[in-house]
Amino acid sequence: GAGVSQSPSNKVTEKGKDVELRCDPISGHTALYWYRQRLGQGLEFLIYFQGNSAPDKSGLPSDRFSAERTGESVSTLTIQRTQQEDSAVYLCASSQQMGATGELFFGEGSRLTVL
Amino acid sequence: RKEVEQDPGPFNVPEGATVAFNCTYSNSASQSFFWYRQDCRKEPKLLMSVYSSGNEDGRFTAQLNRASQYISLLIRDSKLSDSATYLCVSIRDSSYKLIFGSGTRLLVRP
Repeated sequence: GAGVSQSPSNKVTEKGKDVELRCDPISGHTALYWYRQRLGQGLEFLIYFQGNSAPDKSGLPSDRFSAERTGESVSTLTIQRTQQEDSAVYLCASSQQMGATGELFFGEGSRLTVL
Repeated sequence: RKEVEQDPGPFNVPEGATVAFNCTYSNSASQSFFWYRQDCRKEPKLLMSVYSSGNEDGRFTAQLNRASQYISLLIRDSKLSDSATYLCVSIRDSSYKLIFGSGTRLLVRP
């Protein structure tokens, strides 16, 4: 497809387990973002990738969270030893430039539920 | 204090009504502003940019007041399909990080 693709769309896990979320950005988009959205809340910035530059990890809430991106393609967000407060929708977005135009193209998100 | 703040609503209006939302921002370094729309359980999508001089796109008008550090979105002749959450977004100068507000929920009733 032409849009941002995320998987899994839904993930239910037990507290303490590790989870990995995947994002396939739009081809040719150099910028990739991860946001978290808790129920009824706004989007919380997690991490930003731009080409081969060092990522901005300033939004990651704890060292249990990490993310990688291979070149300008797929990104994975890993949450280790999940906690109940990690339950949220994790949204990936990509854009052609460094967000300068303000238009991010979001995937449908990965809904994580930690029991 | 959040960098971008919005009234969560919901705003419940009849079809055909005019409704306006405000959004305030606390960081004076914020330079660019946008409105996104998010339907229930869907991803956010860009609705419109907000220009200093104000701008209009059909039934939607966005305005920026730098002195008071707020932006607004006006929707005229509301449609049932306008029911959604409207997210206010800012970008700081020379930045790439889009800061999202928590959103204002709009319900348009028949």
